[in-house]
Amino acid sequence: AQSVTQPDIHITVSEGASLELRCNYSYGATPYLFWYVQSPGQGLQLLLKYFSGDTLVQGIKGFEAEFKRSQSSFNLRKPSVHWSDAAEYFCAVGARGGSNYKLTFGKGTLLTVNP
Amino acid sequence: NAGVTQTPKFQVLKTGQSMTLQCAQDMNHNSMYWYRQDPGMGLRLIYYSASEGTTDKGEVPNGYNVSRLNKREFSLRLESAAPSQTSVYFCASSEAQNKRFGPGTRLTVT
Repeated sequence: AQSVTQPDIHITVSEGASLELRCNYSYGATPYLFWYVQSPGQGLQLLLKYFSGDTLVQGIKGFEAEFKRSQSSFNLRKPSVHWSDAAEYFCAVGARGGSNYKLTFGKGTLLTVNP
Repeated sequence: NAGVTQTPKFQVLKTGQSMTLQCAQDMNHNSMYWYRQDPGMGLRLIYYSASEGTTDKGEVPNGYNVSRLNKREFSLRLESAAPSQTSVYFCASSEAQNKRFGPGTRLTVT
């Protein structure tokens, strides 16, 4: 069965600092991988996704993530964090299967940004 | 394009009451999903519908039923609500590699 681990429950960074959120997955084959962001009281917004090809994926809001098969990781990065990036971030793994893919989510990492 | 819409946004129920959460999408997606989100648990799949006319259990289906009314609509029913069903419920739809989430329904069962 597929699973996702986000080792950090809560991370605090200063505005302007760099950010890396960790994600490790377990899946029997090459997975679909996603990062979502959720602002307080809001739904989930897709930041970026990896399906195949280039292992460095660019997303919205200046985020990127790198797929490392050897480490079963898909860490999310941003060079300079803005106060508006404060939110909860979820990594997810999906089984391949056309349009019917079910996502398994990690438990989330809450990001606090200090001024 | 409204995307995925959910009603109601908030609901308070007493234990044993029933209710239906509504979800609709206007993107012509084949697949639809219901998730629940609890603190520290991430999102867990309750039920999904791969296409119109089919439904399947997800990770946490107990206490819920679903109906795929047509291609656009996928409802979630709680027949006899329990405090353990207090949660935020998200509907989603997808087509190929494009998955979109609704804004959520916050349900409290007292």
